[in-house]
Amino acid sequence: AQRVTQPEKLLSVFKGAPVELKCNYSYSGSPELFWYVQYSRQRLQLLLRHISRESIKGFTADLNKGETSFHLKKPFAQEEDSAMYYCALGGFRGNMLTFGGGTRLMVKP
Amino acid sequence: NAGVTQTPKFQVLKTGQSMTLQCAQDMNHEYMSWYRQDPGMGLRLIHYSVGAGITDQGEVPNGYNVSRSTTEDFPLRLLSAAPSQTSVYFCASSPDRATNEKLFFGSGTQLSVL
Repeated sequence: AQRVTQPEKLLSVFKGAPVELKCNYSYSGSPELFWYVQYSRQRLQLLLRHISRESIKGFTADLNKGETSFHLKKPFAQEEDSAMYYCALGGFRGNMLTFGGGTRLMVKP
Repeated sequence: NAGVTQTPKFQVLKTGQSMTLQCAQDMNHEYMSWYRQDPGMGLRLIHYSVGAGITDQGEVPNGYNVSRSTTEDFPLRLLSAAPSQTSVYFCASSPDRATNEKLFFGSGTQLSVL
């Protein structure tokens, strides 16, 4: 069965500090990994996906199949990055997603 | 273009009551799904649909029913509400198979069962 683990429920950093939100997955098939973000009082929205190899709002994430990880990184955190971040795994039945438990990122001034 | 619309935004039920959470999308998306969001557990898939007339169970389907009579609507029914169903419910949709990994979410329904 597929599973996504985000070990940190809360991550607090100062503005300008590097950020790494951890995500590990277990899945026997070919994984498709995503990061979704939920800003305060806003809808959950897609941040980035591994197949695009893109950088969105300064965030990047690399799929490491050997370590079964898809950590989200940003070199210099901004206060507006404060939000709830969810890692998600797709690529199976119904093409729906399995979400991790989420990490709340707080960027302090 | 309203996207994914959920109603109501808030609801309080007594144990045993039934109700329907509404979800509609105007993007002609084939895929629609319902998730519940609980602290520390992320979002868990309840039911999903790959097209009109087709539904399937997700990770936590017990106590919920769905139907998909049209492409636009995907209501979620609680048959006999229980306190364990207190949660925030999100409806989501996605377009055709080539890009269905990008989910468009509704604004959520906060449900409390007393």
